[in-house]
Amino acid sequence: DGGITQSPKYLFRKEGQNVTLSCEQNLNHDAMYWYRQDPGQGLRLIYYSQIVNDFQKGDIAEGYSVSREKKESFPLTVTSAQKNPTAFYLCASTVLAGGNNEQFFGPGTRLTVL
Amino acid sequence: AQKITQTQPGMFVQEKEAVTLDCTYDTSDQSYGLFWYKQPSSGEMIFLIYQGSYDEQNATEGRYSLNFQKARKSANLVISASQLGDSAMYFCAMREPFSGGYNKLIFGAGTRLAVHP
Repeated sequence: DGGITQSPKYLFRKEGQNVTLSCEQNLNHDAMYWYRQDPGQGLRLIYYSQIVNDFQKGDIAEGYSVSREKKESFPLTVTSAQKNPTAFYLCASTVLAGGNNEQFFGPGTRLTVL
Repeated sequence: AQKITQTQPGMFVQEKEAVTLDCTYDTSDQSYGLFWYKQPSSGEMIFLIYQGSYDEQNATEGRYSLNFQKARKSANLVISASQLGDSAMYFCAMREPFSGGYNKLIFGAGTRLAVHP
């Protein structure tokens, strides 16, 4: 079945540590996205990528980094520079062409900083 | 700047009744798209329905319909015959014009819907 997988589902981190969240898709989508969701709020865009080896900052990129070495994979690293990283992180993908362009989302990773 | 506003933090509805979730948007662009997503307690975002700014008819998908009023910049979601499984957070989102080959979405704060038996 085609879809997006994210791992782990829950992640605990000590202050000062970097952590990497995994996102893999087998939908053959070109574009991939990372969003952050805080309790009771909507989603905010962290980074996005249109093609392999290219990515752009979203609205809240500070303290995060990404890579896109393969079309299927778009890992997100939460660095120690992110001052308040506890949140729910969602990965999404979409095709570039077509009028509908809905984004397909993974199940999310809940990150807690201890 | 583009913006999505959902003014209802929480709504409740009786099972089998219809409910309308409000969404207003602000944009100066002529070409845009509007989406509704459902987020159950599990956290995954589920796409429900899409409306393009040039679509002349309101979008419908099963029990979901979008009441699109372009002049008022509103895109309300109507759920008919509510079911217990409809209890979730609902997000309205707007697609920025298709530029540079990517598809950026701006989300509202969401409305929590509770369906009562």
